[in-house]
Amino acid sequence: DIVMTQSPDSLAVSLGERATINCKSSQSVLYNSNNKNYLGWYQQKPGQPPKLLISWASTRESGVPDRFSGSGSGTDFTLTISSLQAEDVAVYYCQQYYSLYTFGQGTKLEIK
Amino acid sequence: EVQLVESGGGLVQPGGSLRLSCAASGFTFSNYWMHWVRQAPGKGLVWVSRISADGSDTRYADSVKGRFTVSRDNAKNTLYLQMNSLRAEDTAVYYCARAEYSGPPTPPDHWGQGTLVTVSS
Repeated sequence: DIVMTQSPDSLAVSLGERATINCKSSQSVLYNSNNKNYLGWYQQKPGQPPKLLISWASTRESGVPDRFSGSGSGTDFTLTISSLQAEDVAVYYCQQYYSLYTFGQGTKLEIK
Repeated sequence: EVQLVESGGGLVQPGGSLRLSCAASGFTFSNYWMHWVRQAPGKGLVWVSRISADGSDTRYADSVKGRFTVSRDNAKNTLYLQMNSLRAEDTAVYYCARAEYSGPPTPPDHWGQGTLVTVSS
């Protein structure tokens, strides 16, 4: 099974500042035949279901603000929020879909 | 508008059974793979199961294999999760979610609001 490990577990960032969340997989999620990373990022606010932000490691879903960006390849990935807004307070999860599906443990993002 | 509405959760004793349903609308249900994902109170997301668009291919997490069965009725636009031999550690909010399939697997892009299953005596 592929294990996904996020860091940090929690993060406090000032409004307008950059937030960075890391995700590491125990094996590569890059599929060589199509050169795609099978990695997604979700945002979950309290009392709500998860919302898909990014798929294929770096493709923003429709309607997701461009302050959210994803990067990385192979086993190491990053979700960056370029300028934190109050509505971005949430728990963020990475998920691999290369071999079945596994989520990271989550990163709680708060305002400093 | 895409809508996924779960139902069937509740309180059940250890060793008991429960069947969850997920009613889909606003999209062509028979074209999408469907997932169940659960979240224990205050904990993270855990993938449980998925079923292919035509129902012929199913997969399970090791923690539920042999106890849970996923199925679907494309004529009724409904997804099911039959849960048997329930344990206290199965206590969670259960979400259904859809995923587009155009060759490679994709991440679930729309989720229901979830239904709470509590396993306790």
